[in-house]
Amino acid sequence: GAVVSQHPSWVICKSGTSVKIECRSLDFQATTMFWYRQFPKQSLMLMATSNEGSKATYEQGVEKDKFLINHASLTLSTLTVTSAHPEDSSFYICSASLAGAGNTIYFGEGSWLTVV
Amino acid sequence: RKEVEQDPGPFNVPEGATVAFNCTYSNSASQSFFWYRQDCRKEPKLLMSVYSSGNEDGRFTAQLNRASQYISLLIRDSKLSDSATYLCVVKTGGFKTIFGAGTRLFVKA
Repeated sequence: GAVVSQHPSWVICKSGTSVKIECRSLDFQATTMFWYRQFPKQSLMLMATSNEGSKATYEQGVEKDKFLINHASLTLSTLTVTSAHPEDSSFYICSASLAGAGNTIYFGEGSWLTVV
Repeated sequence: RKEVEQDPGPFNVPEGATVAFNCTYSNSASQSFFWYRQDCRKEPKLLMSVYSSGNEDGRFTAQLNRASQYISLLIRDSKLSDSATYLCVVKTGGFKTIFGAGTRLFVKA
């Protein structure tokens, strides 16, 4: 079964609206989760590192005011795409792992966002 | 230079062929290494971890060369179902994880 669950799998929204994507770790407590974006036929791009109880760490070029990340509990991180535009349409994936170099990275099922 | 580099391919091979992918990493402090498989429009899934001594799982063999800072994945007797993108993943301790851009494989009948 899934170790990391992501919801929703698919979402279509209108330009200017906000969309929230949830990422839950099911079998372990994740103090740190990661959010990625992947455009068609391109590689995963790390957007931000979500830290439980503190502010997220954003990668260079990622607007923190546009991509709001909240990690309020040890099992849930949320990504909110605010004022969505068509160019935000993409595949968004979260991941989590236990601390330690050898621990497997588990991915959520991903969320397809289409902004119309 | 990217921290993790892979040949993007695509590799087009017939069923039954043997195919090898290489991946190089730049951070000598990297501690653990993985190969992930990503199918179209799906999330990446762990294929296998890569150990210093090399490891094998059925038709898949992974090797690590720390001195040269590269890892490899060998697929023997390719199946149609092996068609996917293969991602090289490197962790440098703690949580820092770097993904390669992926190598696309197409196995044809």
